[in-house]
Amino acid sequence: DQQVKQNSPSLSVQEGRISILNCDYTNSMFDYFLWYKKYPAEGPTFLISISSIKDKNEDGRFTVFLNKSAKHLSLHIVPSQPGDSAVYFCAASDSGGGSNYKLTFGKGTLLTVNP
Amino acid sequence: DVKVTQSSRYLVKRTGEKVFLECVQDMDHENMFWYRQDPGLGLRLIYFSYDVKMKEKGDIPEGYSVSREKKERFSLILESASTNQTSMYLCASGDGAGANVLTFGAGSRLTVL
Repeated sequence: DQQVKQNSPSLSVQEGRISILNCDYTNSMFDYFLWYKKYPAEGPTFLISISSIKDKNEDGRFTVFLNKSAKHLSLHIVPSQPGDSAVYFCAASDSGGGSNYKLTFGKGTLLTVNP
Repeated sequence: DVKVTQSSRYLVKRTGEKVFLECVQDMDHENMFWYRQDPGLGLRLIYFSYDVKMKEKGDIPEGYSVSREKKERFSLILESASTNQTSMYLCASGDGAGANVLTFGAGSRLTVL
């Protein structure tokens, strides 16, 4: 049973425009959500996170929005740059649960930013 | 900077061989993890450890075992490699605080022939 879902396997945008990556979750016990970026042949690198008590967190060109009632979050990248082309993984954590050490990941979305 | 080092970047093994994947972290993190990444399947948790000599099964532990004899080192063992274990293996560590950010190694690409 997939608890974190990224329903778009890929997304293509033009340089300078906004990229919006979406993520849905089913487990209402998740209290932190994270986004990771992964280039081919490298490990994932942490981008940005948001606590479930917030609805927005911003870091430079990256903003994450959380809609808890819809169990939905999105990552906005503005403006998009060719170097942003990578696979983006959404992840969630339940800090109060029995296995509160682990992250549950979605399947990823391949973002391609065209010059 | 936290560093997670995976000793082998690329390995080619034969079916039935025993395979060891080693991972070392240098930030004194309590928690260490092994994930595998496959196209269309994302990152799936194999095993994790929250203390020395402690381990817990993740979502896909079958065919794997782990060892954590020292805090900084977490090994993944494939007792008898099979072709369906061809994958990218990712080690990670974290301290479990706050957002529970995990730091990943560069990955080990294993091909089983």
